[in-house]
Amino acid sequence: GENVEQHPSTLSVQEGDSAVIKCTYSDSASNYFPWYKQELGKRPQLIIDIRSNVGEKKDQRIAVTLNKTAKHFSLHITETQPEDSAVYFCAACLSGGYQKVTFGTGTKLQVIP
Amino acid sequence: EAQVTQNPRYLITVTGKKLTVTCSQNMNHEYMSWYRQDPGLGLRQIYYSMNVEVTDKGDVPEGYKVSRKEKRNFPLILESPSPNQTSLYFCASNGQGATGELFFGEGSRLTVL
Repeated sequence: GENVEQHPSTLSVQEGDSAVIKCTYSDSASNYFPWYKQELGKRPQLIIDIRSNVGEKKDQRIAVTLNKTAKHFSLHITETQPEDSAVYFCAACLSGGYQKVTFGTGTKLQVIP
Repeated sequence: EAQVTQNPRYLITVTGKKLTVTCSQNMNHEYMSWYRQDPGLGLRQIYYSMNVEVTDKGDVPEGYKVSRKEKRNFPLILESPSPNQTSLYFCASNGQGATGELFFGEGSRLTVL
């Protein structure tokens, strides 16, 4: 089955700096790669996603890159703010997310004011 | 308001006492799934359903049952709970033809003594 590895497990950055979280996956059939943000005590919420036919996607301060050959994808957050502090999960999915969904183990991001 | 509703939100029970966690969505989504969240292990998929009467195992199905008799409901059943099923459980849904984004419920924290 699919295996998703996520690094680092914790990340501390100064406010205004950039943060990068990396994930690798094992199943070349995976074709949808979402990122979820989970604030303390809350449910996970989608912040950005990318499909296997695209190499990069950007939404304001957040971007995701995908390297299908190397089977890895990354989340980039620029100009970090205290409200970016949360746990971030990557996931790899078959069939656009309608079947098996495998999450990474999460990255706890702390933005220091 | 579009939402996924789980009940109960908190439950303490004893080993072997059957319990059901209900999940209901009002978005007419075809796809529903269950996850458990444990520290250091991220979110792990238990079961998923692509439509009424269609269910399949995720990565950690042992000790759980599900049913999908109606499109809006997807209950998670623990026939004989054990302490290793103490966890935070999330139900999620998404719709065919949509983006693949999972809409999560608020979570159910289960403790098995």
